[in-house]
Amino acid sequence: AQSVTQPDIHITVSEGASLELRCNYSYGATPYLFWYVQSPGQGLQLLLKYFSGDTLVQGIKGFEAEFKRSQSSFNLRKPSVHWSDAAEYFCAVGAAYGNQGGKLIFGQGTELSVKP
Amino acid sequence: DAGITQSPRHKVTETGTPVTLRCHQTENHRYMYWYRQDPGHGLRLIHYSYGVKDTDKGEVSDGYSVSRSKTEDFLLTLESATSSQTSVYFCAISEEFPGTTHNEQFFGPGTRLTVL
Repeated sequence: AQSVTQPDIHITVSEGASLELRCNYSYGATPYLFWYVQSPGQGLQLLLKYFSGDTLVQGIKGFEAEFKRSQSSFNLRKPSVHWSDAAEYFCAVGAAYGNQGGKLIFGQGTELSVKP
Repeated sequence: DAGITQSPRHKVTETGTPVTLRCHQTENHRYMYWYRQDPGHGLRLIHYSYGVKDTDKGEVSDGYSVSRSKTEDFLLTLESATSSQTSVYFCAISEEFPGTTHNEQFFGPGTRLTVL
């Protein structure tokens, strides 16, 4: 079955500390991977995406993610967290090729809290 | 920001009444999607459209119908609302990207629906 798992429901980090949010996926086709961020009461904003090529991708707001095919993972990282990074983060996977209608499967989300 | 609006932004209704949510885009993107967001479930696809009058079911389509008579509008209808349909509903759009299935999805601001 196709699925995305974000093992951590809630993470708290101190401001200035590094961050890693985990994402594991199960997908039968070549995946197209995304990370989105959602601030309270807002829609989702794309942080970064991976389709092919370099497995380390850079996104907005200083985030990066690394695709590891052997581990079926696409973890999100940031070297130094800012208070404004507090939000909910969603990992999503779609089919890179084929007639899937662009459908995405989302993980359950990880809520990030930042301590001063 | 992608030009996506949703209306209404908030709605409270009673069980058994019909409800229609509207998604409007100004980007002329081919693909449009309706998701619902519930705690612990991330985003789940309800229905999607791959062109005018072309729609298909998603993961949680029971109790919902959709229509797309114009490129810019995608309507989600709850024929007879139930309390289990209390949720936040998001519309998303995506353009077709040559050589792959699709580009990323852009999300609207959401509609908070409460069914009493």
